[in-house]
Amino acid sequence: EADIYQTPRYLVIGTGKKITLECSQTMGHDKMYWYQQDPGMELHLIHYSYGVNSTEKGDLSSESTVSRIRTEHFPLTLESARPSHTSQYLCASSGFSGMSYEQYFGPGTRLTVT
Amino acid sequence: GIQVEQSPPDLILQEGANSTLRCNFSDSVNNLQWFHQNPWGQLINLFYIPSGTKQNGRLSATTVATERYSLLYISSSQTTDSGVYFCADRISGTYKYIFGTGTRLKVLA
Repeated sequence: EADIYQTPRYLVIGTGKKITLECSQTMGHDKMYWYQQDPGMELHLIHYSYGVNSTEKGDLSSESTVSRIRTEHFPLTLESARPSHTSQYLCASSGFSGMSYEQYFGPGTRLTVT
Repeated sequence: GIQVEQSPPDLILQEGANSTLRCNFSDSVNNLQWFHQNPWGQLINLFYIPSGTKQNGRLSATTVATERYSLLYISSSQTTDSGVYFCADRISGTYKYIFGTGTRLKVLA
């Protein structure tokens, strides 16, 4: 079944650690996105990619980086985690689904930096 | 830039009540979607509705593209409907999306 996967689902980590949040999709989409969201609040786009070797920064400045070496994989890395990075990170992809063009989301990663 | 306003921002209902959520856009509507964010944080696709009306069980949605708004109707609400409802649209000429600020719904038993 076509889906979007994110790991880990929950992560508690100390300040200064390097972390990578994984995102994979089997939707066959070429567009992928990372959003940052505080609980119940609006979504902020931090990175997006229109295809392999294509990445752009989003509307909200972020200290994270991304890579897109394979179509289905779009990991996000924080070189040195800080308490201000505590948030939920949502990965998404978009593409045609029949007659519609839709965006779909993974389950999210809840990151806490102590 | 394009603005998306959602109303009401917060809503508390008794189980069984009906409600209407609204989304207003400052620019043309392209690929409007409605999402429900459940208590675990996942966004679930409800409707892809750039125009017209669709129904799925107790939920239905209507988009009037010429007037740049969309409505989500929830009938006979249940506690499992609680969460945050977002509308979103693809920004013209891009594959980026803009989201509304959400309607936080709580349904009481």
